[in-house]
Amino acid sequence: DVKVTQSSRYLVKRTGEKVFLECVQDMDHENMFWYRQDPGLGLRLIYFSYDVKMKEKGDIPEGYSVSREKKERFSLILESASTNQTSMYLCASSFRPLTDTQYFGPGTRLTVL
Amino acid sequence: AQTVTQSQPEMSVQEAETVTLSCTYDTSESDYYLFWYKQPPSRQMILVIRQEAYKQQNATENRFSVNFQKAAKSFSLKISDSQLGDAAMYFCAYRSARHDPGNTPLVFGKGTRLSVIA
Repeated sequence: DVKVTQSSRYLVKRTGEKVFLECVQDMDHENMFWYRQDPGLGLRLIYFSYDVKMKEKGDIPEGYSVSREKKERFSLILESASTNQTSMYLCASSFRPLTDTQYFGPGTRLTVL
Repeated sequence: AQTVTQSQPEMSVQEAETVTLSCTYDTSESDYYLFWYKQPPSRQMILVIRQEAYKQQNATENRFSVNFQKAAKSFSLKISDSQLGDAAMYFCAYRSARHDPGNTPLVFGKGTRLSVIA
């Protein structure tokens, strides 16, 4: 079974803090994705990566950055957290090509106070 | 840009009955993929069913089936013999068949929350 894990289920941070969300997959997937999920808005893509050290902006990259130093790990970074970044963050991975099925992690519910 | 619309924010169904969740999408492409994902409360999102646009036959997975109407750009999900475990948020998603790295991988609808009544 594909396993996608995220470092925290719940996280509380203060405005202005630097926040790291980690995602690890164990299936040697080339592609990894970060989404945020908000009620009434569905899932919106923040960034994705189709190879180590490669990244592409999604629909809402502002205020976020990512890092992919190893194939199995994809980190989402909030350089200076703001209250409007309070959300559920979902990580996903898939084989190439990008059309392949995505497998999701359990999510991290981030609250920024 | 492609868009996916789920017009039913919430639905409910009696246990053992059948329910259909609607999804429409907008695209100018002819080759693409469509997905239904299920997100149970406090649990991971999982793939329910997948449809390739070039296939005329509707995909089925056990109690789950789709009605894919390409001309109408409609992709509804039918759940037969509903079970309590089917209660979840369901998301419809679209993916272009183009492999451009800059192409957005998945476009999601806003979701439909399904309740199953015992």
